Amino acid sequence: DAKTTQPTSMDCAEGRAANLPCNHSTISGNEYVYWYRQIHSQGPQYIIHGLKNNETNEMASLIITEDRKSSTLILPHATLRDTAVYYCIVRSHPSGYSTLTFGKGTMLLVSP
Amino acid sequence: ETGVTQTPRHLVMGMTNKKSLKCEQHLGHNAMYWYKQSAKKPLELMFVYNFKEQTENNSVPSRFSPECPNSSHLFLHLHTLQPEDSALYLCASSQVGGRPTGYTFGSGTRLTVV
Repeated sequence: DAKTTQPTSMDCAEGRAANLPCNHSTISGNEYVYWYRQIHSQGPQYIIHGLKNNETNEMASLIITEDRKSSTLILPHATLRDTAVYYCIVRSHPSGYSTLTFGKGTMLLVSP
Repeated sequence: ETGVTQTPRHLVMGMTNKKSLKCEQHLGHNAMYWYKQSAKKPLELMFVYNFKEQTENNSVPSRFSPECPNSSHLFLHLHTLQPEDSALYLCASSQVGGRPTGYTFGSGTRLTVV
């Protein structure tokens, strides 16, 4: 699976949009972009995933550039409970299973 | 509650003890995973079970022994652990085949080896 690069940490004011970037310049055509987050000492939580189109769900929006070499996760109105480590992961989907490899992620701190 | 339940939530054990971690998923998934997360380190994949068969063992020491009796249950048997094995142990499940979906993780077992 392709490697991803994320900033180590970011800050966001409560109520503002949090935009978390991710670079995946070596992504191949059949690889999806996944986002997870991990609140302190809990299990990671799935947020969203996409292949090439922008995606939106009740938690966030995912914007993937046209060349698919980078993406941005958007939390439209960040709350204190969104403080967590956010992981961007690129993963293929062969007919069998494929594993999820976590990097260091981005520590997002939402402040009052 | 995510649909993946891990017990116990916390465990303290001596280096000569034998204990087991349990994971149960209620999602109808066909693959289950054990991950380890040590302090200030990324999650590390330990074992993968796909349709109850172990398909991956990432050079995990033999003092960790997984068991998958059916597609809903996964165990991690622990014996003669070392203090450096203290970590958060996470179980996850996923559906292999069909539309791409994410993993669902449990809340983890916080293990302390004394």
